[in-house]
Amino acid sequence: AQSVTQPDIHITVSEGASLELRCNYSYGATPYLFWYVQSPGQGLQLLLKYFSGDTLVQGIKGFEAEFKRSQSSFNLRKPSVHWSDAAEYFCAVGDTGGFKTIFGAGTRLFVKA
Amino acid sequence: DAGVIQSPRHEVTEMGQEVTLRCKPISGHDYLFWYRQTMMRGLELLIYFNNNVPIDDSGMPEDRFSAKMPNASFSTLKIQPSEPRDSAVYFCASSEGLAESTDTQYFGPGTRLTVL
Repeated sequence: AQSVTQPDIHITVSEGASLELRCNYSYGATPYLFWYVQSPGQGLQLLLKYFSGDTLVQGIKGFEAEFKRSQSSFNLRKPSVHWSDAAEYFCAVGDTGGFKTIFGAGTRLFVKA
Repeated sequence: DAGVIQSPRHEVTEMGQEVTLRCKPISGHDYLFWYRQTMMRGLELLIYFNNNVPIDDSGMPEDRFSAKMPNASFSTLKIQPSEPRDSAVYFCASSEGLAESTDTQYFGPGTRLTVL
């Protein structure tokens, strides 16, 4: 069965610093991968998704993610973090042959001034 | 479109009472999902519907929980009787159902349930 692992429960970065959030997936074939963001008191919102093609995917709010099959990873990056990026970030994989989405446990991002 | 609408946004009730959470999906979306989020267990899928029909309810914790979707624009999640361990944020999400494995889910703002 598919699964995603987010090794970091929380991360703290300084405003203006670069960010990388880790995600590893477990899946035999080409996975369908997503990153969602949850701001405090809100529901989840899609940042970006990868299905095929270019392994570097651009998303909203200046985020990007890179699919690396050899490492079974789909890490999320941003070159310069803003205070408004403080939120919880979920990596997810699409269910094979279905319409469910399987979410990781989430990584909470704290941004310090 | 107004997005996924959930009501109420906050609910405080006493143990043993019936609780009903409501959801209006995005118009034209064929799939509707109910999730529960807690600090201890994270985000859990409870049940999902396709064209108003329940497809997978394996995540429903026990018989106290029930969900219905009487039409394409409305769904309810009911807990009867409620218990303190049901305290959580409950999210509803919908998706278009265009292609397997690749659908984007659109989440509502959630209902924060507190059972005293």
